[in-house]
Amino acid sequence: RKEVEQDPGPFNVPEGATVAFNCTYSNSASQSFFWYRQDCRKEPKLLMSVYSSGNEDGRFTAQLNRASQYISLLIRDSKLSDSATYLCAVNIGGAPGGGNKLTFGTGTQLKVEL
Amino acid sequence: GAVVSQHPSRVICKSGTSVKIECRSLDFQATTMFWYRQFPKQSLMLMATSNEGSKATYEQGVEKDKFLINHASLTLSTLTVTSAHPEDSSFYICSARPPRRGSYNEQFFGPGTRLTVL
Repeated sequence: RKEVEQDPGPFNVPEGATVAFNCTYSNSASQSFFWYRQDCRKEPKLLMSVYSSGNEDGRFTAQLNRASQYISLLIRDSKLSDSATYLCAVNIGGAPGGGNKLTFGTGTQLKVEL
Repeated sequence: GAVVSQHPSRVICKSGTSVKIECRSLDFQATTMFWYRQFPKQSLMLMATSNEGSKATYEQGVEKDKFLINHASLTLSTLTVTSAHPEDSSFYICSARPPRRGSYNEQFFGPGTRLTVL
């Protein structure tokens, strides 16, 4: 089983739709969770850190479910400019082999269409 | 967010040559930087963790003699791909983690270096 798994998509949604992605992780010792956005042939850019209590930033909401070991990203009122690949990243902190390393999922591709 | 630069942005070289990539943290000091590689339609794969003033920590399967990492200062890490071959062609991206209180370990990425080995 992969350490971090995502549905690669693509998710094709109309402008204005609400779309949600999940990301599952296998190591229960994971401590920090992030969503990154990556545009084609560009570097990933930090979208949101995912806090235990969940967090919201404008149209974006991130949640963590420790019991089921997944994080989610909800995008409301999708814009054309939201089209990108969304990567989740997990850090297992001080657990063996952890430290500051992030493990990335393969990403979920989102295409927002007119 | 924190700013990380990377140079060069694109390299095309002949097989057998060595290529040096620089990663700089511009507005913070980074005792740790990370080097990733990304092949088309694949995720980022961590190659090594670069530690200022000490040896890098390489991930399993990454040849330390082929991918030389030097982290000589708190703002600069370099990755040298030695004797590059076409299979080394990839998108190389560095990241750095600015000092933070608390347990969060956000990493900020440089713009990446696209290496093509002919």
